[in-house]
Amino acid sequence: GAGVSQSPSNKVTEKGKDVELRCDPISGHTALYWYRQRLGQGLEFLIYFQGNSAPDKSGLPSDRFSAERTGESVSTLTIQRTQQEDSAVYLCASSLAPLDNEQFFGPGTRLTVL
Amino acid sequence: LAKTTQPISMDSYEGQEVNITCSHNNIATNDYITWYQQFPSQGPRFIIQGYKTKVTNEVASLFIPADRKSSTLSLPRVSLSDTAVYYCLVGSASGGSYIPTFGRGTSLIVHP
Repeated sequence: GAGVSQSPSNKVTEKGKDVELRCDPISGHTALYWYRQRLGQGLEFLIYFQGNSAPDKSGLPSDRFSAERTGESVSTLTIQRTQQEDSAVYLCASSLAPLDNEQFFGPGTRLTVL
Repeated sequence: LAKTTQPISMDSYEGQEVNITCSHNNIATNDYITWYQQFPSQGPRFIIQGYKTKVTNEVASLFIPADRKSSTLSLPRVSLSDTAVYYCLVGSASGGSYIPTFGRGTSLIVHP
């Protein structure tokens, strides 16, 4: 079956604009995760969903970041009033069950804020 | 929260065995240890997962001592295609929430 997909693959925006990133998890995976990876850096956990509920939003870098998930399917990560430091690859992953460390990652969205 | 520490980089040669160690002193009782491989411009890919002692699959082995405060990923007979960044992940459950903590990654370069 299909893996995790993300769109767009690349996004270039101007500082101050809002952007919306999309993630389609593997069908049947109840848990979904968002990470940020800056150039040459490790993965920074942002948020995870158990179904359409996000038990802990403390990983989101600021109140400009928000995420939602519809049922156990697509999720969107929204960044408002983008800043240059938001430039990074945003990775989405899903897993069969919550708290399952075997996560399946998408290819990521490369965000560049000019 | 569990914090993980890995070497920043390692070098090896084709055919050698490579061992990458990750420290996770604050690992919780229920946490599993998972290792991922990441190639440039791709998302990480699951390699192996374990809880304690030793786990082996077709690509790697994972050694976890009794105190579980560290783990070692062992790659037998590496090839050039094993050049990648390797991350250890410890899942931290806290108050009903879950915060996966990735290490900063070990960049492995395999030389001919």
